[in-house]
Amino acid sequence: RKEVEQDPGPFNVPEGATVAFNCTYSNSASQSFFWYRQDCRKEPKLLMSVYSSGNEDGRFTAQLNRASQYISLLIRDSKLSDSATYLCVVNMGGNTPLVFGKGTRLSVIA
Amino acid sequence: DTGVSQNPRHKITKRGQNVTFRCDPISEHNRLYWYRQTLGQGPEFLTYFQNEAQLEKSRLLSDRFSAERPKGSFSTLEIQRTEQGDSAMYLCASSLVLAGTYEQYFGPGTRLTVT
Repeated sequence: RKEVEQDPGPFNVPEGATVAFNCTYSNSASQSFFWYRQDCRKEPKLLMSVYSSGNEDGRFTAQLNRASQYISLLIRDSKLSDSATYLCVVNMGGNTPLVFGKGTRLSVIA
Repeated sequence: DTGVSQNPRHKITKRGQNVTFRCDPISEHNRLYWYRQTLGQGPEFLTYFQNEAQLEKSRLLSDRFSAERPKGSFSTLEIQRTEQGDSAMYLCASSLVLAGTYEQYFGPGTRLTVT
């Protein structure tokens, strides 16, 4: 089982739609979780950190379910500019490096 | 611009040549990471430094790869005797590790093409 798994998509949604991505992780000792956004041929940019059960920032909501070992990202009222790859990232604890999923590709269509 | 910077942004080299990349982290950050990313994959960890100490190396980092951070500021990643399989985006990230926070901020990357 891969350490961090995501549905690669692509998710093709119309503007204004709500879309949700799920991510599962294998290490139950994982301590912190992140969503990064990556545009084509650009670097990943931090979108949200999730240290407790969830986090909300405007149209974006991240939720963490430690019992089931998954993290979700919900995007409401999708904009064309939300089109990107969304990377689920897990910190296994302490000094360990971040582990990235392969990413989920989102295309928001006019 | 006070973000992470990387140079060069693009490098094309012939197989067998050596290449060196540089990363300048955010100035107050004490940790610096190197990742490699290929098409359709997430970034894969290569190595990281806390200040000038190299604390961990991935098994992806063969003996042809070496990284340094001599004064705890900028870092270099050298690949010797490049192979076509080394073609990838090499990403650098930095972080300021405080109690319980581990956010990393990435530079724009160096895209390596080995012909």
